[in-house]
Amino acid sequence: DAGITQSPRYKITETGRQVTLMCHQTWSHSYMFWYRQDLGHGLRLIYYSAAADITDKGEVPDGYVVSRSKTENFPLTLESATRSQTSVYFCASSEGWLAYTDTQYFGPGTRLTVL
Amino acid sequence: GENVEQHPSTLSVQEGDSAVIKCTYSDSASNYFPWYKQELGKRPQLIIDIRSNVGEKKDQRIAVTLNKTAKHFSLHITETQPEDSAVYFCAASLSTGTKETGANNLFFGTGTRLTVIP
Repeated sequence: DAGITQSPRYKITETGRQVTLMCHQTWSHSYMFWYRQDLGHGLRLIYYSAAADITDKGEVPDGYVVSRSKTENFPLTLESATRSQTSVYFCASSEGWLAYTDTQYFGPGTRLTVL
Repeated sequence: GENVEQHPSTLSVQEGDSAVIKCTYSDSASNYFPWYKQELGKRPQLIIDIRSNVGEKKDQRIAVTLNKTAKHFSLHITETQPEDSAVYFCAASLSTGTKETGANNLFFGTGTRLTVIP
């Protein structure tokens, strides 16, 4: 579990500001994911990435931007934060593509509050 | 996309009793079903998983069953202990796209808060 880290762990920002959440993994996993966790919704996929420079949308991508210039990093940016984006954000990674061979491992999470 | 429903949302059991959590999924192409345990303020941790070609899997006090025809799977915890108290999430996964551009996306249930009463 120590192989995947997130920063910051806690963040308070104001509506309209840009904020970037960082995710870093040391396993050289190809696949990385961003989820948000809200009461009553479980975890929902925001974006995922199959490799450096390859990203795609998940279930709830609106209002978020991702990039992946290096395999080990997968930052998530809220370009103009809204109160509805107050949530706990989890990054995850997995080694491979086939769902029945590879497990996703989660980072410790970032609790974001938008005032 | 995939839709996963999970029941019950809360579950209280006496220490030593069994707990059962049930999930259903909608996409018959889903082929991997992990269960995660999340303690308060912590990350989700994988506790057991099952592949679509297997009907049941056990790991000590934890077992998972899968009924592909009915598209439902269940988590069974026997001899519950206070440290089993947590939120449990089921998930269904299917691989999308290609190996180069897709991923094994997880679709989660809404969670079950299990409380084990000493």
